[in-house]
Amino acid sequence: EVQLVESGGGLVQPGRSLKLSCAASGFTYSNYVMAWVRQAPTKGLEWVASISTGGGNTYYRDSVKGRFTISRDNAKNTLYLQIDSLRSEDTATYYCAKDNPYYGYNYWGQGVMVTVSS
Amino acid sequence: EIVLTQSPTTMAASPGEKVTITCRASSSVSYMHWFQQKSGTSPKPWIYDTSKLASGVPDRFSGSGSGTSYSLTISSMEAEDAATYYCLQRSSYPPTFGGGTKLELK
Repeated sequence: EVQLVESGGGLVQPGRSLKLSCAASGFTYSNYVMAWVRQAPTKGLEWVASISTGGGNTYYRDSVKGRFTISRDNAKNTLYLQIDSLRSEDTATYYCAKDNPYYGYNYWGQGVMVTVSS
Repeated sequence: EIVLTQSPTTMAASPGEKVTITCRASSSVSYMHWFQQKSGTSPKPWIYDTSKLASGVPDRFSGSGSGTSYSLTISSMEAEDAATYYCLQRSSYPPTFGGGTKLELK
């Protein structure tokens, strides 16, 4: 059974940093592109970043470039999102998602909440 | 960036009623994916490659479209279909989602 379990969220002051993790199991993690998708409270879904199977290629939405860093450890089956210089508009539930060329994103984690507030 | 505009934003349907949700793209895309999300839960893949039903999705759902106009249709609304539906395009980077359509049971 595919499982994606996010962790690392919480209440953070503006300008601070946070690192989210996503532990993957139930599939050959190193074979799949992975992504982070976020959802602000009462809002829609927003793709944030993706990373290639080996980690050598990363992609970001414009609004997070330079502040967010997606990475992966294939030995630990874990995906990461380093978030620096947090802003109030980064407040959202962050989902880890397994990429699939046919489905888009065919498995999602339960999400982790990040709240940016002083 | 391709902008996806869903309509309606919210709607209510009675049991047995036919429902159609539309997703319009600002530029042509090759295919559309759809997700269902219920309150407090993660999105679930629902329709992929425009018209293919994800595993476990009832066959009262269907998807269609091409170019800049796509739709998700429920042939006969059931209570369990009440949810928010999102379209997603990945024909062009960055991937973009529609704003969502909240479907309620009347």
